[in-house]
Amino acid sequence: KNEVEQSPQNLTAQEGEFITINCSYSVGISALHWLQQHPGGGIVSLFMLSSGKKKHGRLIATINIQEKHSSLHITASHPRDSAVYICAVTTNTGNQFYFGTGTSLTVIP
Amino acid sequence: GAGVSQTPSNKVTEKGKYVELRCDPISGHTALYWYRQSLGQGPEFLIYFQGTGAADDSGLPNDRFFAVRPEGSVSTLKIQRTERGDSAVYLCASSLGSIRNTEAFFGQGTRLTVV
Repeated sequence: KNEVEQSPQNLTAQEGEFITINCSYSVGISALHWLQQHPGGGIVSLFMLSSGKKKHGRLIATINIQEKHSSLHITASHPRDSAVYICAVTTNTGNQFYFGTGTSLTVIP
Repeated sequence: GAGVSQTPSNKVTEKGKYVELRCDPISGHTALYWYRQSLGQGPEFLIYFQGTGAADDSGLPNDRFFAVRPEGSVSTLKIQRTERGDSAVYLCASSLGSIRNTEAFFGQGTRLTVV
């Protein structure tokens, strides 16, 4: 079983829709990261959070430590948001990321 | 540079050849990570450097893979006797401190194709 599970695996949305991507994890974490990867591109860090909620532009990330769950929300989605969104966690003892399998998002104009 | 730089961006090599992949981390970042991402998969941990030393190399798949960071800055991932299964995007990331509590920055990756 993967330490980090994401859903959905694939998501198609119309431009302007509100989008939610979910992440569940099974290990004790020091932080959870939401990452964005465009086709053929590198990975960009969107958020690092260990509690509560963070907002950056149209992106909102929340985490519930007790439930070991995080969500990434995109408001007023746009075709340029099309990418793979990856949830990754770091643990209190390790020095590596544990990655989810990613959610491939396509926003249609 | 402003970000993590990886060279080359693409590398095609013949089976059995030796390749070197380079990572220039953000200046001042002491931690450096190598990951490998196969098509349709999430990144897979290879090795972690803290300064010049490999603090964790448990992800290296076999002894054909080796990485160095002699001056605590630039790192080179070396693959001997390449195999077709080594084809993947090799990602490098760096962070100011431990990724347990600091943000990591990723390079664009090197796409390695072994033919």
